[in-house]
Amino acid sequence: DAGVIQSPRHEVTEMGQEVTLRCKPISGHNSLFWYRQTMMRGLELLIYFNNNVPIDDSGMPEDRFSAKMPNASFSTLKIQPSEPRDSAVYFCASSRTGIGTDTQYFGPGTRLTVL
Amino acid sequence: DAKTTQPTSMDCAEGRAANLPCNHSTISGNEYVYWYRQIHSQGPQYIIHGLKNNETNEMASLIITEDRKSSTLILPHATLRDTAVYYCIVSNYGQNFVFGPGTRLSVLP
Repeated sequence: DAGVIQSPRHEVTEMGQEVTLRCKPISGHNSLFWYRQTMMRGLELLIYFNNNVPIDDSGMPEDRFSAKMPNASFSTLKIQPSEPRDSAVYFCASSRTGIGTDTQYFGPGTRLTVL
Repeated sequence: DAKTTQPTSMDCAEGRAANLPCNHSTISGNEYVYWYRQIHSQGPQYIIHGLKNNETNEMASLIITEDRKSSTLILPHATLRDTAVYYCIVSNYGQNFVFGPGTRLSVLP
């Protein structure tokens, strides 16, 4: 099993630019989660999907952030326009059902730096 | 806010058992206890979870008190590669994970 795949692994961009982070969940998993990790705030859940439908986006910081899951094998997290305070490591995770005892498996993360 | 309380840091000698405590006094009847760890710069890694019975797998053992208000993760023979931040999480559906600051475990040679 390839595990959760994220791309790019590192992204450096300038303030105001659009940033798109990508995630491929584990095959057969039908829940997908986006997290952000910073030194100040730790690991925070941004949004999660179940069967490609967004279930809870209350963690999305503001309208500059958007997430989509067009099919069961792909999701994107977009920041437009990006700001320096968005610099963080963004993790994607997937689980089999998202309900009950199923555990989340995390990808390696994307380290975003906004200058 | 995280529903769990963990010590900020702990040390353990290599080869000895590492016992990481977690308090979750407000846990409800349908909430599970999950343990994850994060090795520097990597994504969090699942370790183990349980409801009320003690659990064991190839990585660790989880001891949950009878009142379920606290638990202990046991790494039976800690190695240097077990140095990481360990997170204790309570969740009823496996998706509402709230990660606290965790315990930074340092395994010393």
